[in-house]
Amino acid sequence: EIVLTQSPGTLSLSPGERATLSCRASQSVSGSYLAWYQQKPGQAPRLLIYGASSRATGIPDRFSGSGSGTDFTLTISRLEPEDFAVYYCQQYGSSPLFTFGPGTKVDIK
Amino acid sequence: QVQLQESGPGLVKPSQTLSLTCSVSGGSISSGGYYWSWIRQHPGKGLEFIGYIYYSGSTYYNPSLKSRVTVSVDTSKNQFSLRLSSVTAADSALYYCARAAYVSGSYAFDCWGQGTLVTVSS
Repeated sequence: EIVLTQSPGTLSLSPGERATLSCRASQSVSGSYLAWYQQKPGQAPRLLIYGASSRATGIPDRFSGSGSGTDFTLTISRLEPEDFAVYYCQQYGSSPLFTFGPGTKVDIK
Repeated sequence: QVQLQESGPGLVKPSQTLSLTCSVSGGSISSGGYYWSWIRQHPGKGLEFIGYIYYSGSTYYNPSLKSRVTVSVDTSKNQFSLRLSSVTAADSALYYCARAAYVSGSYAFDCWGQGTLVTVSS
């Protein structure tokens, strides 16, 4: 079973700053089958990035994903007020087929 | 635009069976290409994949829950359902239905219901 670890657990930043979130897998994630989601309080998660680096429909270009193998990164180039949320990475392919990381909370400094 | 909506009891007694239904609107489950899925989130915690069903009826369950989970589909009603048997307090969570779409050679959850809170308590 692939275990995803996200760091940091909490990231305290100010609007306009750059956010760099890490997702590390215990084994190589095949084919860059890695996605990122944003979840705000009281809302369902929203798909941001799939295939490690492709933005989902309607996602602003300040969000970008990179990485391969076991190390992946979500970058928010300039934080907007609406970007303060919890971010999850998710892998596809290894049992139990879909696995999520524990999340990184981006909060206002 | 596809929308998903969960429904079902918010309170289930221990040892009983949790049953939830997800109604799909704005698109047909039978169109293929998607895994219709259930995901849960314990309060203040992360996300746990429960299982999925394809419109043809083929299923996949998280091995950690496999012995207790059944996901079924009713294409005539454009709905799919979750049954989780022998529930305990550890099954209390926010349950989401979601659609896993095939994108760039992988699957990602591109559409989610709003979630329904289920509490297991006597």
